[in-house]
Amino acid sequence: DSGVTQTPKHLITATGQRVTLRCSPRSGDLSVYWYQQSLDQGLQFLIQYYNGEERAKGNILERFSAQQFPDLHSELNLSSLELGDSALYFCASSVVAGAADTQYFGPGTRLTVL
Amino acid sequence: QKEVEQDPGPLSVPEGAIVSLNCTYSNSAFQYFMWYRQYSRKGPELLMYTYSSGNKEDGRFTAQVDKSSKYISLFIRDSQPSDSATYLCAMSAPDSGGYQKVTFGTGTKLQVIP
Repeated sequence: DSGVTQTPKHLITATGQRVTLRCSPRSGDLSVYWYQQSLDQGLQFLIQYYNGEERAKGNILERFSAQQFPDLHSELNLSSLELGDSALYFCASSVVAGAADTQYFGPGTRLTVL
Repeated sequence: QKEVEQDPGPLSVPEGAIVSLNCTYSNSAFQYFMWYRQYSRKGPELLMYTYSSGNKEDGRFTAQVDKSSKYISLFIRDSQPSDSATYLCAMSAPDSGGYQKVTFGTGTKLQVIP
């Protein structure tokens, strides 16, 4: 158990809908990362927050947004969902921003868009 | 061309075999090199992390980095069925703000047959 929690574990929804994925980092970790993993694309970095502020952006679509709250938990919002958004979404946390050796991953949320 | 290339496999080996997993990269700015192990339906977990060229050993695992050839490897000795998982290489380089940005390979699926 990495100490990173993600809810829900599974999410099934329809195209055009909006969903929110939630992540609680390990105790003491200030940095949160979001990743998307699909079969053909591997693990794709979406966005990173550090202590409530956006730190880095990856291949995140405009339909997706995220935020990190004062208690350091983070939410990833996915809107106008398309079939291609079906994937595993992972959250990871680390103590400091950009620390390459200390990212701890949560168990993931499996999103299925029908 | 992707910054990080990794053969997706699958790779099947008999129990007790030595496994060699490899990644090549094109960005000479990469500084940190990591290997993650991901079991089915779980989040990736950090296995090995190294900074310099050469070998780093941890139990049955050895990580090797050759910066001149832009090539990294993970060797698993005396492979066990419990090693069956997907192995992702990852490497990081400083971004414009000086923070480490991590890029993952697509992963190699390994199956160790009893």
